[in-house]
Amino acid sequence: GNSVTQMEGPVTLSEEAFLTINCTYTATGYPSLFWYVQYPGEGLQLLLKATKADDKGSNKGFEATYRKETTSFHLEKGSVQVSDSAVYFCALTPGETSGSRLTFGEGTQLTVNP
Amino acid sequence: KAGVTQTPRYLIKTRGQQVTLSCSPISGHRSVSWYQQTPGQGLQFLFEYFSETQRNKGNFPGRFSGRQFSNSRSEMNVSTLELGDSALYLCASSLRAGDEQFFGPGTRLTVL
Repeated sequence: GNSVTQMEGPVTLSEEAFLTINCTYTATGYPSLFWYVQYPGEGLQLLLKATKADDKGSNKGFEATYRKETTSFHLEKGSVQVSDSAVYFCALTPGETSGSRLTFGEGTQLTVNP
Repeated sequence: KAGVTQTPRYLIKTRGQQVTLSCSPISGHRSVSWYQQTPGQGLQFLFEYFSETQRNKGNFPGRFSGRQFSNSRSEMNVSTLELGDSALYLCASSLRAGDEQFFGPGTRLTVL
């Protein structure tokens, strides 16, 4: 079956540090890949997505590239802010013809200190 | 455009009771999915509906059920509640199956 593995957290960084959260996946076919963010007490917000190999998703300074050869979708940001403190989830869906079922990673808690 | 709305936001029930949660998708979205979020199990898929038909179902017992109405609004029901059903229940909608999903704020269910 499909699965997503994220780097273990929590991650604590100082403001303006570089962020990488690793994500690898196992899936058949051509999944779509996503990063979602969850702030305390809230639901999930879509951060970025990529639907095919070598696509780069980007939003709010965050980036992730769909690497089919390494089955990875690592999240990066060049300079984090305190407001980026949240839980980040990597996820996949099987693809357009296979429904919307999202498979999530375990989540990575990010804390950014001023 | 209004986002996904879920009602109620908080619920407290006792073991053995049943509960119904409601989700209104973004206008025009026909696909609705439900997820359970717990500290121990993380985010787990419950079911997906598209045009009033259940398209996918996760690995949950039959006590968990759902339905979708002709206006795409969806409800999920949990019967004979157990302590382990305490969780945040998230609803998500998308324009088409397989498209990016937009999540509601969730319903926090506490079973005592």
